[in-house]
Amino acid sequence: DVKVTQSSRYLVKRTGEKVFLECVQDMDHENMFWYRQDPGLGLRLIYFSYDVKMKEKGDIPEGYSVSREKKERFSLILESASTNQTSMYLCASRRVPGNQPQHFGDGTRLSIL
Amino acid sequence: KQEVTQIPAALSVPEGENLVLNCSFTDSAIYNLQWFRQDPGKGLTSLLLIQSSQREQTSGRLNASLDKSSGRSTLYIAASQPGDSATYLCAAYTGANSKLTFGKGITLSVRP
Repeated sequence: DVKVTQSSRYLVKRTGEKVFLECVQDMDHENMFWYRQDPGLGLRLIYFSYDVKMKEKGDIPEGYSVSREKKERFSLILESASTNQTSMYLCASRRVPGNQPQHFGDGTRLSIL
Repeated sequence: KQEVTQIPAALSVPEGENLVLNCSFTDSAIYNLQWFRQDPGKGLTSLLLIQSSQREQTSGRLNASLDKSSGRSTLYIAASQPGDSATYLCAAYTGANSKLTFGKGITLSVRP
């Protein structure tokens, strides 16, 4: 069975902190994605990665960076957390070629105080 | 730019009713369309994926259809149960930058 694991379900941090969100998949998928989900705005793509060490900006990359050193792990980094980054963060992965389903983790509810 | 719309935003039905959830998209040049379920505070669970060459897909009490020419997909839920209460999202894949474009979801409540 497909498994995407996000390291934390809930996280509370302070403004200005550097925050790391981790995502691991066990399916040898090439593509991995980070989304944020906010009421009324739906899911928005932050960054995605085609494969190891490859990354592309999504729709809202400002204030975020990512790292993909190993195929199974995709990290989202908030360089200097701000209150407007309080959100639900969702990681997903997908096998290529492209017409495959995306599989999501359980999400991380991040609060920035 | 692809836009995906789901109307209404919320729906309440009595248990046992058959129901249809609608999804519309503006760019018909899609590779596939995926339906997801999301329970409160949780991630998304993939329900069905319909390729552009297919008309429908079925899984248990769920049936999803796709009409590219009209820019519509529907998710049919047969004999609804309280456990079906959740938010249902559709997402279209056009191949551009490998990204999915999501609708904002329909929150379904099935009353016992």
